[in-house]
Formats: sequence, C-alpha cells, structure tokens
Amino acid sequence: QSALTQPASLSGSPGQSITISCTGTSSDIGAYNYVSWFRQEPGTAPKLLIYGVSNRPSGISDRFSGSKSGNTASLTISGLQADDEADYYCNSYTRTTRTHVFGTGTRVTVI
Amino acid sequence: EVQLVQSGAEVKKPGESLKISCKGSGYSFSNYWTGWARQMPGKGLEWMGIINPGDSDTRYSPSFQGQVIVSADKSISTAYLQWSSLRASDSGVYYCARGHDGFWDYWGQGSLVTVSS
Repeated sequence: QSALTQPASLSGSPGQSITISCTGTSSDIGAYNYVSWFRQEPGTAPKLLIYGVSNRPSGISDRFSGSKSGNTASLTISGLQADDEADYYCNSYTRTTRTHVFGTGTRVTVI
Repeated sequence: EVQLVQSGAEVKKPGESLKISCKGSGYSFSNYWTGWARQMPGKGLEWMGIINPGDSDTRYSPSFQGQVIVSADKSISTAYLQWSSLRASDSGVYYCARGHDGFWDYWGQGSLVTVSS
C-alpha cells in the first residue's frame, strides 16, 4: 500500500491562491468520499482542515476548500497568509487494507 | 471537551519492549475508532493501525503488520500501541487519533519514542 502522492513543496505570495493535489487510486480516493486534509506545524499534532472531500470543521476558515475528481483530491488555500506556512497532508480510506493512508505531505511556503 | 491524552516520552534500548497509551475523554470511547500514526524525524505521517474499542476490530497497515500490536481497554477508555522488541528505526513521534465517518477529528499530543543503545 503506497502513500498518496502530493507535491513536496509549493510556494505563493500573500493574497494568492495555491492548490495542493493528492493523487491516489481507484481503491482509495477514487472509491470513497473519505478524503480529508490536515495541517501540521513543527512539533505539533496534525489539525483537521477538511473532511468528506469538501467539508470544513467548525472554526476552520473558508479560505480552505477541498474537491475531488476521479482519483485525485485537491486542497485550495485562497488569500494566502504568512501563517499558512506549514506542512499539509491528505488522507483517505482505502479498501485495500480497510484502513487509511496519508499523502506524502506538502510544505507550503509564503514568499 | 473531547481530549486524547498520550503517555510521556520514552527512552529505550534496542530489543526492549514498550507499550504506550492514549486515554480518551469527553466522548463515548467505544463508539469511535482509535488510530495510531507514526512520524519519524523530519518525515511524513504514516498510519500504523486502527482499532474499534467497541468490538475490538483491529486493522494494520501492511508495513506495520506483525511489527506492533494495537489494543484497547474500553473500561478505562484507553488505547495502546506496543512493541515486543524495539529497533533504532522505531524512534519517532507516535500520535493517536479519534476516528468516525471516515475521518480523524481529534488527535493526541504525541509520544516521543527514542531507541538508542
């Protein structure tokens, strides 16, 4: 079972929008709407940003949005801010093992 | 308030055994999955295994099958992750999380495990 594929790094200027892709297979992202996204800052636990492909938990800014097409999910951060700098991970349920799999992670830098 | 509180940092020697814990509070522990994830220094997150404390249904990611044991005691709302013989490559931070409806919403603070001779 391989990790979902994300770009290693992305950067953007304040105010811009960036989109992080997460590519899986027909056994995980393509099969279920159980895609979620997490943000992680150094030395801290992951924080849920998006669940069920496009739903935001209470308290999460609407600058974060999620979508899915086929075997690829995406997280868009709009109106990029300096404090958006962090590592971002996608996650999906997989029927291969009936458990979950993370993406490889993307480091977002605001330049 | 939902909380997952993990046991503290551990320093062990190769070959030693270890069991770390994750205590849930503020919710019905038996009605939610508990998962364990590893993060090695400077690396990404990896799911190790998940357990349904209600019926003890336990599932492992292939890389961790046979390497660790995930268990839970629903009477004290606590999940466990254990090793019988640690290796240096087991060093890292281990997180537990609460799961339901296909996502993981609350996370423990992480337990640092250092394995060194």
